[in-house]
Amino acid sequence: EAGVTQFPSHSVIEKGQTVTLRCDPISGHDNLYWYRRVMGKEIKFLLHFVKESKQDESGMPNNRFLAERTGGTYSTLKVQPAELEDSGVYFCASSQSGELFFGEGSRLTVL
Amino acid sequence: AQSVTQLDSQVPVFEEAPVELRCNYSSSVSVYLFWYVQYPNQGLQLLLKYLSGSTLVKGINGFEAEFNKSQTSFHLRKPSVHISDTAEYFCAVSRTDSWGKLQFGAGTQVVVTP
Repeated sequence: EAGVTQFPSHSVIEKGQTVTLRCDPISGHDNLYWYRRVMGKEIKFLLHFVKESKQDESGMPNNRFLAERTGGTYSTLKVQPAELEDSGVYFCASSQSGELFFGEGSRLTVL
Repeated sequence: AQSVTQLDSQVPVFEEAPVELRCNYSSSVSVYLFWYVQYPNQGLQLLLKYLSGSTLVKGINGFEAEFNKSQTSFHLRKPSVHISDTAEYFCAVSRTDSWGKLQFGAGTQVVVTP
């Protein structure tokens, strides 16, 4: 069974550009979460989808971040325009009713 | 709101020696407690969790943790480490009504040397 997959694994962009990160959860998992770890800080919750609905987006830092989960399958996280402080590792996780399964993360570097 | 403090940012340890990683938390509501591990170039993997019941929790790879409510701690231990235990370890808590919304500690890097 495939795990949670994320891509790109690493993205380098310039300040002001747009980046879209994608997460494919484990098949059948209704719950999908986004987390991020900014350099030197804790891993922070961003938001939670249940199927295609945003259950909790209290961790989204500002309106430059847009998450979608069309059809309740894969999810995208778009950062537009990117700022230097957005650099970090973005993790996606999925679950059905219990344990969270994490992807390997997408490292974003904003220059 | 909850908070998690991992008291050691880095722990060097010799192979076959014991290791203890300290985690303290604060919360005004009931929480679940977790330890995750991140091996190099991999995602986070659940080591063990405390939901209720016995305060001594056993996890994968020979790790165990003890929940101490009075001291609000959830320290992780392994009696004998291997080189392959070199990784970053994260303590996390969640409210019992939203256990996918984790509050993580800053992480502890464990470096095992021969």
